[in-house]
Amino acid sequence: QVHLVDSGGGVVQPGGSLRLSCAASGFTFSNYGMQWVRQPPGKGLEWVAFIRYDGTNKYYADSVKGRFTISRDNSKNTVYLQMNSLRGEDTAVYYCAKARNFDYWGQGTLVTVSS
Amino acid sequence: QSVLTQPASVAGSPGQSITISCTGTSSDVGGYNYVSWYQQHPGKAPKLMIYDVSNRPSGVSDRFSGSKSGNTASLTISGLQAEDEADYYCNSYTSSSSYVFGTGTKVTVL
Repeated sequence: QVHLVDSGGGVVQPGGSLRLSCAASGFTFSNYGMQWVRQPPGKGLEWVAFIRYDGTNKYYADSVKGRFTISRDNSKNTVYLQMNSLRGEDTAVYYCAKARNFDYWGQGTLVTVSS
Repeated sequence: QSVLTQPASVAGSPGQSITISCTGTSSDVGGYNYVSWYQQHPGKAPKLMIYDVSNRPSGVSDRFSGSKSGNTASLTISGLQAEDEADYYCNSYTSSSSYVFGTGTKVTVL
């Protein structure tokens, strides 16, 4: 069965960096695009980024463009989210999700940006 | 990138039907048949309930159905049950090659 495990969250100071990982299993990872979605505490879902199955194209929300980078390693069945220049408004639970339909989700990892 | 508009809350009694609307623009909901719906219980990850406007993934109850008219998509839950109490979000692909979620709707079973 499909399984996505998010990791890498933690507490970071404003202006700092963090790299999130999402380890996938149970499907042919290299055949599917992958997404990152975030949810600030007590608030709604916000789409963050998408990477095509082969990593050739990447798309970002305006709120993170130029600061966040999505990447993938198909040999490790893992998708990453490199987050730089972090701000307080980036505080959220970050989820990875499979494919354009977001048909499976990781359990989420909490990122807290605070001094 | 603006969000899609959903009612903040919808309530219904067990056995009733409720409908949640999701209003966007011709650049997202109205322009593509790539609307999906997610159910989220407190403290849990979202779960896909409907994709491509009206398709149900395997394992999702047929009490859940989706539709679209113009720039507004809808999710209908028939035969409302206690376990349906959750937050629901719509999502659409957009003309900017991005995705946008709705504001979210809290469903309460009275």
